[in-house]
Amino acid sequence: QKEVEQNSGPLSVPEGAIASLNCTYSDRGSQSFFWYRQYSGKSPELIMFIYSNGDKEDGRFTAQLNKASQYVSLLIRDSQPSDSATYLCASSGNTPLVFGKGTRLSVIA
Amino acid sequence: GAGVSQTPSNKVTEKGKYVELRCDPISGHTALYWYRQSLGQGPEFLIYFQGTGAADDSGLPNDRFFAVRPEGSVSTLKIQRTERGDSAVYLCASSHQGAGGYYNEQFFGPGTRLTVL
Repeated sequence: QKEVEQNSGPLSVPEGAIASLNCTYSDRGSQSFFWYRQYSGKSPELIMFIYSNGDKEDGRFTAQLNKASQYVSLLIRDSQPSDSATYLCASSGNTPLVFGKGTRLSVIA
Repeated sequence: GAGVSQTPSNKVTEKGKYVELRCDPISGHTALYWYRQSLGQGPEFLIYFQGTGAADDSGLPNDRFFAVRPEGSVSTLKIQRTERGDSAVYLCASSHQGAGGYYNEQFFGPGTRLTVL
């Protein structure tokens, strides 16, 4: 059974702080990893993807991948109240995307 | 450009009825996916099309669920003899490449909220 695990939260951070979201996956064959943001009542929106070990930065977002530990993370710098949402981690190998349940982030102004 | 569109946005039906949910993918995307999302859960894979053919239907929960994509663009998810447990948001996504590629950036539609009374 391929699984992606996330802490459901809520994770509360003050405005301007760094939010750190974590995810582990069970399938060692997973090759690509994705972070989606989902606002309440809306559909998932792709933020970043990563497939190589290390860090990948895009604006205020940094994705980190450690395949040996089967661990993916998303850092959000200078968190804003508009970042408050559920963040979904997903993995993919030669299989369809497997999603975690998501971590609810709340950025407090 | 236009994103993925889904109709209807909401569908309320009675137990035992038949429903059809429609998805219109991003133009040029060959891969199309259906997911189901229940409250507090991540999207759950149902079926994946590459072109007109269903490349992977392993996520369909039972034979009441069926999907088609006859011309390789618009897809319809069909649910027969609906049950209350089918109530969920049904999401459609599309991408340039199928699930076998390293790049699988899927773009989601707004979803159809199905309620079975």
